Amino acid sequence: DAGVIQSPRHEVTEMGQEVTLRCKPISGHNSLFWYRQTMMRGLELLIYFNNNVPIDDSGMPEDRFSAKMPNASFSTLKIQPSEPRDSAVYFCASSLRRLAAFLEQFFGPGTRLTVL
Amino acid sequence: AQTVTQSQPEMSVQEAETVTLSCTYDTSENNYYLFWYKQPPSRQMILVIRQEAYKQQNATENRFSVNFQKAAKSFSLKISDSQLGDTAMYFCASSIQGAQKLVFGQGTRLTINP
Repeated sequence: DAGVIQSPRHEVTEMGQEVTLRCKPISGHNSLFWYRQTMMRGLELLIYFNNNVPIDDSGMPEDRFSAKMPNASFSTLKIQPSEPRDSAVYFCASSLRRLAAFLEQFFGPGTRLTVL
Repeated sequence: AQTVTQSQPEMSVQEAETVTLSCTYDTSENNYYLFWYKQPPSRQMILVIRQEAYKQQNATENRFSVNFQKAAKSFSLKISDSQLGDTAMYFCASSIQGAQKLVFGQGTRLTINP
């Protein structure tokens, strides 16, 4: 079975450019999460969706960041304009949400973003 | 607010030894979940073990077990008969019931030496 798929795996861009990260969750999962990992801040949740609807975007650093989930099988995280401090590994994760239960979040391989 | 603290940035043991990774957390909730995730050099995050706070029995998964001390808000991971493939970053994480947000600790880099 395919796990969570992220593309690209590596992205190098210049400051000011737009960056789009892509995620395909596991088929049948109804929750999707975007995390960012840096040495300074560790792993932090940026935003998550239930049934394609954004539920909590309090972790999104600023207006330069936006995320969409147009359907159950695709999500994007966009940074515009990008800055060097956005350099990090961005993970997408998905899970099957059920009431009053926590089910495992399955992580993708991550996208390593470098902004020069 | 939830917080998770891992006080050991790095640890190193010999193959076949037992190692314990420490984690403390803080939450005002009564119902929550605790997790240990492994991140090998491949960067993939892998769930190692989970514990529901309402369960008194410590979770066990093969060579991995936890020592869950609810009153002390402590959640340590014990790896028995350590193997070279256990070399990775290990993250402790928590989530409250009804929410889906995972809060992670800063991680412990574990090296298993041959």
